[in-house]
This record gives sequence, structure tokens and C-alpha cells, in this order.
Amino acid sequence: GAVVSQHPSWVICKSGTSVKIECRSLDFQATTMFWYRQFPKQSLMLMATSNEGSKATYEQGVEKDKFLINHASLTLSTLTVTSAHPEDSSFYICSARGGSSPLHFGNGTRLTVT
Amino acid sequence: GENVEQHPSTLSVQEGDSAVIKCTYSDSASNYFPWYKQELGKRPQLIIDIRSNVGEKKDQRIAVTLNKTAKHFSLHITETQPEDSAVYFCAAILRGADGLTFGKGTHLIIQP
Repeated sequence: GAVVSQHPSWVICKSGTSVKIECRSLDFQATTMFWYRQFPKQSLMLMATSNEGSKATYEQGVEKDKFLINHASLTLSTLTVTSAHPEDSSFYICSARGGSSPLHFGNGTRLTVT
Repeated sequence: GENVEQHPSTLSVQEGDSAVIKCTYSDSASNYFPWYKQELGKRPQLIIDIRSNVGEKKDQRIAVTLNKTAKHFSLHITETQPEDSAVYFCAAILRGADGLTFGKGTHLIIQP
């Protein structure tokens, strides 16, 4: 089945630093990748949609200058949390879709900002 | 705005009984409705999905029904087992969006 790999699975960083999270589709070409954020005991909230080779589309309320998304190839998208603050601590999950196939999720990244 | 409502937020059933989780959506143009199961600290796993051209889909103990007129869809789990305990999310693709919009989730607890 389709596999989406996300790295790292967890990261602890200091306030003010930046963190990069990678999302790779291992056995299919992901024309579209999505980034979600999930706070404890809450649902997944879509942050942004990225299409290979074009700028990401951000959901309302998500700062594009803070959450930088790059989708440089059909198998890789990255999310960089810039100048991280404790309130950015969350579970970040990417998902990928190739054509009309169902969405496949990565394993998620637990970010803790101290 | 466009959204997905999910009920109940918590559901406790006796092992062996059935569980039903319901979702409503606002966009009549939505045509894809997946259900995800998420265990604590793990990624959501697709368990079943349905497209708008069918009214019901079944996979062993799991079934999903869709009522397009009423704009609601439901997840049915029969003969529940302890391993069914998890948080379940419904989702839909809503107008103007490309990604999935999720319901708030249902914490399903299977009592032994």
C-alpha cells in the first residue's frame, strides 16, 4: 500500500529557533500534500495545501511567514516552523495524495518548544 | 462557513454491541467521505470511505451509510471488540478546499 514517511517523529527545540519537518511519499508521486496540526484531544486542523512546483495555499489564520512550506518534488514536502514559540507545540501530520487516490498520512511529528 | 459536525464526542458500548457515529456536512457538493481511526499518539488510519454515488458500503464489521439529501453519513461498527477503542474522525472535502475537513472526533470506549 501507499506509504508516507514523516521525519522526525519528535523534536524538542528552544523558543526562537526553527524546525524543519519532512514528508515523503515513498511509493507514489504525490501531486498534492497537506499539512495538519493536532493539539491534544482535538481534531486535525488543515494548515496548508501544497502542490508540487507551486506556492502553498494556507488556511485562514495560519501565518505563511511562520510556517514555510516547500514542495519541490513529487515525493517531498517540507514544513519549517520558524521562530518557534511554546504555543507552536503540537502534533504536526502531513498527508499526501496522488491523483484521485485516498489520502495517506505520515506518522506525525511531535513538536515541543521549550 | 463550511464545516463537518460529528456526534457523539464520547461513546461507551459493551463489548459485542454495536456502535454508531454520525456526521453532518454543510456542502451539498461534497462527494467523498472517509472515516479515520486514530490511536493515542499515532497517525489517523483510513478504515472506510464512501463516495456520493453510493448509499452504503460495508467491510466486515464496519459499514458506512450516506444520505446525500439530508447531508449526513454514519459509521457503524458491529460486534465491537476491545481493539476498536480509539478516536474516530469523519471527514469531507468541502467547497473551496482541497484537503479534508475533519469532524471533532468521537472517543469510542469498548467496555469489557
